[in-house]
Amino acid sequence: EDQVTQSPEALRLQEGESSSLNCSYTVSGLRGLFWYRQDPGKGPEFLFTLYSAGEEKEKERLKATLTKKESFLHITAPKPEDSATYLCAFCPYGGSQGNLIFGKGTKLSVKP
Amino acid sequence: EAQVTQNPRYLITVTGKKLTVTCSQNMNHEYMSWYRQDPGLGLRQIYYSMNVEVTDKGDVPEGYKVSRKEKRNFPLILESPSPNQTSLYFCASSRQDPSFSEQYFGPGTRLTVT
Repeated sequence: EDQVTQSPEALRLQEGESSSLNCSYTVSGLRGLFWYRQDPGKGPEFLFTLYSAGEEKEKERLKATLTKKESFLHITAPKPEDSATYLCAFCPYGGSQGNLIFGKGTKLSVKP
Repeated sequence: EAQVTQNPRYLITVTGKKLTVTCSQNMNHEYMSWYRQDPGLGLRQIYYSMNVEVTDKGDVPEGYKVSRKEKRNFPLILESPSPNQTSLYFCASSRQDPSFSEQYFGPGTRLTVT
């Protein structure tokens, strides 16, 4: 069964303390891997798409990377406004068109 | 403003009383999806639509119906709601197959079935 696991479930950082979130998946290949940010009481908001191992994308303090079995979301010098739940999602090769599998998310809290 | 709207935002109903949650997007997107989000289970896809009159089941379709008669609208229908359908529901749209394209999510509908 295709699965995606995110770790840690929750992460508390001090402002400026860099760290990484992990998303690992158990499929032989994927069409795309996505990172979304979700604020409390709101719908997820798109951050990045990665398609092949070795690919990296950056946006402000966030950088997403992809290997054959996992993706990392690196947060450099986070600020309190980066506090949110970060979700990863993917569609495996052979999966139904349009069918995404989401992880349970990592809840990030950044304290000033 | 490009957006996905859902109505109602909050709904409390009783078991067996049919209800519809509406979803509309103003971006002329081909794809639309419905998800439910439950604590400890994450986001799970209920149904998705690739275009008008084309829909397919996601991971948890039991107890739900959808229709896509117009490109902009994708209502979610619960014919006979049950307490296990109490959840937070999100509608999403994307320009192309969400396997390759970012999705835009609505603000969510919190449903309670008693």
